[in-house]
Amino acid sequence: DSGVTQTPKHLITATGQRVTLRCSPRSGDLSVYWYQQSLDQGLQFLIQYYNGEERAKGNILERFSAQQFPDLHSELNLSSLELGDSALYFCASSVGSGGFSYNEQFFGPGTRLTVL
Amino acid sequence: GENVEQHPSTLSVQEGDSAVIKCTYSDSASNYFPWYKQELGKRPQLIIDIRSNVGEKKDQRIAVTLNKTAKHFSLHITETQPEDSAVYFCAANNDYKLSFGAGTTVTVRA
Repeated sequence: DSGVTQTPKHLITATGQRVTLRCSPRSGDLSVYWYQQSLDQGLQFLIQYYNGEERAKGNILERFSAQQFPDLHSELNLSSLELGDSALYFCASSVGSGGFSYNEQFFGPGTRLTVL
Repeated sequence: GENVEQHPSTLSVQEGDSAVIKCTYSDSASNYFPWYKQELGKRPQLIIDIRSNVGEKKDQRIAVTLNKTAKHFSLHITETQPEDSAVYFCAANNDYKLSFGAGTTVTVRA
């Protein structure tokens, strides 16, 4: 158990819908990262938040957005869902913000999203 | 941005033999290189990492080497065991994010 929690574990929805994935970082970690992992694919970085502020952005679609709240939990919102959005979505956390002094990222168990 | 290439994509080894996975990166500013192991349906877990101020690091049967000049780093697993079967990802930091390689599926044959 990494200490990072994600809910829900599984999510099945229809095309065109909107869903929200939730992540709670490890105690003491200020950074939250979101990744997408499609079937047989690697880990695609989506976005990072550090202490409530967006710090880095990857290949995140405009239909996707995220935020980090004062209690440091984060939510990833996916809207106008398409079949191709079906994937495993991981959240990870680290104590620092990254940059020059990088810290280990601890991954949560993931949310499996299926879009029908 | 950072581009991390990982080879091979699949690797099958006999139990007890060694496994080597190689990665190259493009950003000369990268200074942190972790390796993650992901078992089927599970989360990626860090198995070893190396920073740019060292050339090699070992942890029991696992070692990582880094060649900053050539911009490549490698994972070495010795005396492989069935529980080493998994997907392994290398990564390199780029600004505030990690860029991951495409992964290597390692199968250890009994």
